[in-house]
Amino acid sequence: NAGVTQTPKFQVLKTGQSMTLQCAQDMNHEYMSWYRQDPGMGLRLIHYSVGAGITDQGEVPNGYNVSRSTTEDFPLRLLSAAPSQTSVYFCASSYSWGGGEETQYFGPGTRLLVL
Amino acid sequence: RKEVEQDPGPFNVPEGATVAFNCTYSNSASQSFFWYRQDCRKEPKLLMSVYSSGNEDGRFTAQLNRASQYISLLIRDSKLSDSATYLCVVKRNTNAGKSTFGDGTTLTVKP
Repeated sequence: NAGVTQTPKFQVLKTGQSMTLQCAQDMNHEYMSWYRQDPGMGLRLIHYSVGAGITDQGEVPNGYNVSRSTTEDFPLRLLSAAPSQTSVYFCASSYSWGGGEETQYFGPGTRLLVL
Repeated sequence: RKEVEQDPGPFNVPEGATVAFNCTYSNSASQSFFWYRQDCRKEPKLLMSVYSSGNEDGRFTAQLNRASQYISLLIRDSKLSDSATYLCVVKRNTNAGKSTFGDGTTLTVKP
């Protein structure tokens, strides 16, 4: 299994540009999430999904859109990039919640710089 | 007040030392608790789940105090390889899939 994969690894954008961060998992996990991590801080939840066709907002959703058309893929779209969105973005998936099967598996991250 | 709070450290300890981290959470409805480890510029990885009765995995012991709403992580006989940031994670089972992370505690183990 490849686990959770993310592309690209690095990206530089200009203010106002849009882009999509890709995330895929091959573990048949129901739950997928997007987080951002700013320097010296923990992860903050942007959006999450509890299954194909179902998404919901997290703590910091403004400026981002998501969709979940398949179990495997959960892309994150930046609508109009701003310098405040400079961060490291992590995608995560998990099989279930409760019963001890709640481990979140993270992708390697996308480092985004917005100029 | 943040929902999950950790002492950011850094904790600088010699090899072989015992070190303990605490994490407090504000929402009494929280049901699931975890410690994740994050190495510099890498993705977080699960270190251990935290169970009500406390649990141990080798040199690592996790405890939960629901009355005081905190969890702890104890590392015995610290190794150089334990140097990392330790993230406390809290989940409310009423909101499946949604976890809240603390800002992390940084540990540096020195020779």
